[in-house]
Amino acid sequence: ILNVEQSPQSLHVQEGDSTNFTCSFPSSNFYALHWYRWETAKSPEALFVMTLNGDEKKKGRISATLNTKEGYSYLYIKGSQPEDSATYLCASPNTGGFKTIFGAGTRLFVKA
Amino acid sequence: GAGVSQSPRYKVAKRGQDVALRCDPISGHVSLFWYQQALGQGPEFLTYFQNEAQLDKSGLPSDRFFAERPEGSVSTLKIQRTQQEDSAVYLCASSLDPGQGLETQYFGPGTRLLVL
Repeated sequence: ILNVEQSPQSLHVQEGDSTNFTCSFPSSNFYALHWYRWETAKSPEALFVMTLNGDEKKKGRISATLNTKEGYSYLYIKGSQPEDSATYLCASPNTGGFKTIFGAGTRLFVKA
Repeated sequence: GAGVSQSPRYKVAKRGQDVALRCDPISGHVSLFWYQQALGQGPEFLTYFQNEAQLDKSGLPSDRFFAERPEGSVSTLKIQRTQQEDSAVYLCASSLDPGQGLETQYFGPGTRLLVL
C-alpha cells in the first residue's frame, strides 16, 4: 500500500523567513511526485511534478527536490510572504497512474 | 478559459437522505477523478474515469457511493442514505490526458457536505 507522509503538520513563520517541509513516500515502485498548493476557499493548484532522482524544480521563490532512492522530497520557500499561506500537498500516483495518493498536507501560516 | 466547477458548493443533508454532487471538468479533458477529504486529512482517492469509462472505483467506501460520467464530460457522484461519516469535502479534478500519473490534475473548489 502506497503511504505518503508529510511533516510538519503545520508551520508558523514570519514574513521574510525561509522555510522547508518534507514529503516521504515508499521508494519502491516510485513513479512520480506532485506538489500542490491549496489556499483557503480556492482550488488546489499544481506546483511541480517530478520523476527523476535528483530532480530540482523552481517556480519563483518556491523550489523542490526529489530523492527517489530514500523516498523523500523537500519543498523550500525563500523569503516567505503572507500570500504563501496555504496548505501544501504532495501526492504520488501508484504504478499505472490512476490512483493518486495524497499526504495530509503541511499548513503554512506566514505572519506579516 | 473556465476551470473545473463543482456544484453545489455546500450541502447540508439529513442522515438517510440521498445527495448528488456535480462536477464540470475542463472541456476536452479525458481524465476525471473524485476525491474525499475529511477534516485534517489529505484528499483520498474515490474513483477515476477515462472519458465515460470508470476504470477504477476501488476508493469508493461503500456501495452507497456511485459515480457516473455518461457522456464523457460532466460527472455526478451520488451518495445514497447519507451517514454522518460521509461529512467531508468532495473534490473533483480533471486532466487532459489519460491517467498515467505524470499529468497535472486541475481541481474544482470542492463540495462541502455536512450530514446531520
